[in-house]
Amino acid sequence: DTEVTQTPKHLVMGMTNKKSLKCEQHMGHRAMYWYKQKAKKPPELMFVYSYEKLSINESVPSRFSPECPNSSLLNLHLHALQPEDSALYLCASSQDRTSGSNEQYFGPGTRLTVT
Amino acid sequence: AQKITQTQPGMFVQEKEAVTLDCTYDTSDPSYGLFWYKQPSSGEMIFLIYQGSYDQQNATEGRYSLNFQKARKSANLVISASQLGDSAMYFCAMREHNAGGTSYGKLTFGQGTILTVHP
Repeated sequence: DTEVTQTPKHLVMGMTNKKSLKCEQHMGHRAMYWYKQKAKKPPELMFVYSYEKLSINESVPSRFSPECPNSSLLNLHLHALQPEDSALYLCASSQDRTSGSNEQYFGPGTRLTVT
Repeated sequence: AQKITQTQPGMFVQEKEAVTLDCTYDTSDPSYGLFWYKQPSSGEMIFLIYQGSYDQQNATEGRYSLNFQKARKSANLVISASQLGDSAMYFCAMREHNAGGTSYGKLTFGQGTILTVHP
């Protein structure tokens, strides 16, 4: 089963709201990723968790706060976002960060609109 | 410098024909992996095929094959017998196995090619 699930599918939030995106995988993967993707552009890496520890933060503004409560779950907490943060947010997982082919499996994404 | 270059913003192909999507890459790391992903309009990124830099044979997965030319640093995706459901954005990506620091394990994506399959 190569499934990564993400909730919600769509989210509309105001600039003063606090919301969270959730991602779950049950493939026993030990690396999990958050990407942001604008329309017709490639995904941009935001964060990488490896063995439940944050290992990469690509200089993401602090209004995005990741959390990895356990090896299957990854959250992205959102607060005081700007309209330019509207995008598709993709979660991915892989066996770990580095070994072998280590393909990343992506979830369906959350389409976020900030009003 | 761009590490992954996809020079075709859009491609068109007739149903049942074969199509090649171009990808060139730039790295000095002798050990790396190359990936192709498909992204339909629904948004999900679907892993298609992987080629390791030390693999002797070109990778194949069903109707997908990767034309790996190491000396030219190219990793073109060939889709045989195109289907209407193949219409999507296609991304080529690379992972350098010896990249240090914050690049460790990171996937670098190209800009993508939109493929449209005509009936």
